[in-house]
Amino acid sequence: TQLLEQSPQFLSIQEGENLTVYCNSSSVFSSLQWYRQEPGEGPVLLVTVVTGGEVKKLKRLTFQFGDARKDSSLHITAAQPGDTGLYLCAGLANAGGTSYGKLTFGQGTILTVHP
Amino acid sequence: DAGVIQSPRHEVTEMGQEVTLRCKPISGHNSLFWYRQTMMRGLELLIYFNNNVPIDDSGMPEDRFSAKMPNASFSTLKIQPSEPRDSAVYFCASTKREGFGEQFFGPGTRLTVL
Repeated sequence: TQLLEQSPQFLSIQEGENLTVYCNSSSVFSSLQWYRQEPGEGPVLLVTVVTGGEVKKLKRLTFQFGDARKDSSLHITAAQPGDTGLYLCAGLANAGGTSYGKLTFGQGTILTVHP
Repeated sequence: DAGVIQSPRHEVTEMGQEVTLRCKPISGHNSLFWYRQTMMRGLELLIYFNNNVPIDDSGMPEDRFSAKMPNASFSTLKIQPSEPRDSAVYFCASTKREGFGEQFFGPGTRLTVL
């Protein structure tokens, strides 16, 4: 069974601060996705990282995939109240030669950004 | 384009009753997933289908849970009999078979079993 450990579970910061969320596993994933979920809604995909060492930027959000494709991080610069939400990492593992797209989700990080 | 549609959005029922949750995936998506989300356990995969065929149901908690996908545009998750510990938000998601498995989630059904 592949597991993803996400930390921290809770993060409460002031507007303008920087933060990093970590996602770690002992398993190798073919790719890793980050989702954001707002109350009363389903998760929405932010980014997919595929190559070991890959770095992707989405405005103030920077995503990195570890060289061994076992871990990932999400860094937010100058957080804003609109960044508040639940952030989930999810690892994608191919099942043999197929690509059914089964995701293993981390427990999530609840981020609160205070004005 | 319409996203994943789930119904009902909220369901309150009494212990022992049958509950049926419904999902309409995005047209053209070949894979469908049922998840359960709780504060304690996070987002758990219950079962997923590919081309209407159940591929992995190892996440289904017990025999009280069953899921069907009679055609490409409709799936149900049934709990019979329901128990208070089944209270959770149940999400349906769909994805194209090709690609990197980006999943599109519905708004969820919040189930409360009294």
